[in-house]
Amino acid sequence: QKEVEQDPGPLSVPEGAIVSLNCTYSNSAFQYFMWYRQYSRKGPELLMYTYSSGNKEDGRFTAQVDKSSKYISLFIRDSQPSDSATYLCAMSAGGNNRLAFGKGNQVVVIP
Amino acid sequence: ETGVTQTPRHLVMGMTNKKSLKCEQHLGHNAMYWYKQSAKKPLELMFVYNFKEQTENNSVPSRFSPECPNSSHLFLHLHTLQPEDSALYLCASSQAELAGGTDTQYFGPGTRLTVL
Repeated sequence: QKEVEQDPGPLSVPEGAIVSLNCTYSNSAFQYFMWYRQYSRKGPELLMYTYSSGNKEDGRFTAQVDKSSKYISLFIRDSQPSDSATYLCAMSAGGNNRLAFGKGNQVVVIP
Repeated sequence: ETGVTQTPRHLVMGMTNKKSLKCEQHLGHNAMYWYKQSAKKPLELMFVYNFKEQTENNSVPSRFSPECPNSSHLFLHLHTLQPEDSALYLCASSQAELAGGTDTQYFGPGTRLTVL
């Protein structure tokens, strides 16, 4: 079983729709969870950072972590064409900066 | 320049060539990383440096040779590469690794490497 599972997509949605992305993981020691956004020909940039279970909201973005199910989600409300990118989940057990990444999920928001 | 910069942005090399990738961070960090990003695969950590000392080599073939002369600069020396080494090579930096917590990693734009 891979440490982090993420469906690579692609996922196409009309502008204004809600985008729902998720990752599952197998390592119960993970407690730091991140979502990175990567535009074409750019490096990943941190979008959301959460610790342990719960929700975190930042503008149109909401990150959810359910440690009991080993499942994390990212929701993008009122999606815009500028949200078209690849979204990577990443997680860590802490103690060092070793991150386990998902494959990334390509999102296309159609105007 | 701000953040993490990488040069060159694109590189095409033959299997017998020797080339180097350069990374520079302007964030005052003390940890630097090399990752390999291939299509449809998760980011693969290659090397980690903390305060110029290598703290991780993730079973990377010896045809990849990292160098960290100071906390702001990181190089990846390449020689006798294989076509399957073609990928996007990303550099990242963060605060130095500390017990407990996980610090945010900031990525450069990457070098797109093609090995012929």
